Amino acid sequence: DQQVKQNSPSLSVQEGRISILNCDYTNSMFDYFLWYKKYPAEGPTFLISISSIKDKNEDGRFTVFLNKSAKHLSLHIVPSQPGDSAVYFCAATLRIRAAGNKLTFGGGTRVLVKP
Amino acid sequence: IAGITQAPTSQILAAGRRMTLRCTQDMRHNAMYWYRQDLGLGLRLIHYSNTAGTTGKGEVPDGYSVSRANTDDFPLTLASAVPSQTSVYFCASSDRVNEKLFFGSGTQLSVL
Repeated sequence: DQQVKQNSPSLSVQEGRISILNCDYTNSMFDYFLWYKKYPAEGPTFLISISSIKDKNEDGRFTVFLNKSAKHLSLHIVPSQPGDSAVYFCAATLRIRAAGNKLTFGGGTRVLVKP
Repeated sequence: IAGITQAPTSQILAAGRRMTLRCTQDMRHNAMYWYRQDLGLGLRLIHYSNTAGTTGKGEVPDGYSVSRANTDDFPLTLASAVPSQTSVYFCASSDRVNEKLFFGSGTQLSVL
């Protein structure tokens, strides 16, 4: 059973508009969440993160929102650019976990930004 | 350029053969990981190592083994490859107190 789910496998958006990517998790113990971006034939790269003590974190065009009661986070990209076309993975972890910093990933959402 | 190097980039392998995927990092990170990426399933952890000399099982460890003889290298071995191990394999590393993972470019493995 996947503990982190991205229910939308793909998203198409016009350049300049907002992209909203959603992610749901089931483990209420998760206390740190990350978004990764992946281009074809490359490894994922870190995009933005949020701690469970916050409900919003912003970095330039990228904002992550966390709703702990709903076990839901979202990534907003405003404005969307063609270079944002990629697969986006959300991930979650327990920072206090003594066994190490292992991330649990969602299935990914493929974003296509049309010029 | 500092980072993670994976080899080979791609490989076609006959079922039953043994294969080792190589991973080397030069960031002196303590922790290293192996993930496989499959469509719709995202990235699933195979094995990890919190520090040199220690390893642990992830979510999907069966059919795979790892070793961590030193800080920089973390090879993944398929003792007897099966078609279900066809996937893209990513090696990653992280500083012990920083959950941000740095990934290699991946190895595309096809087992026929």
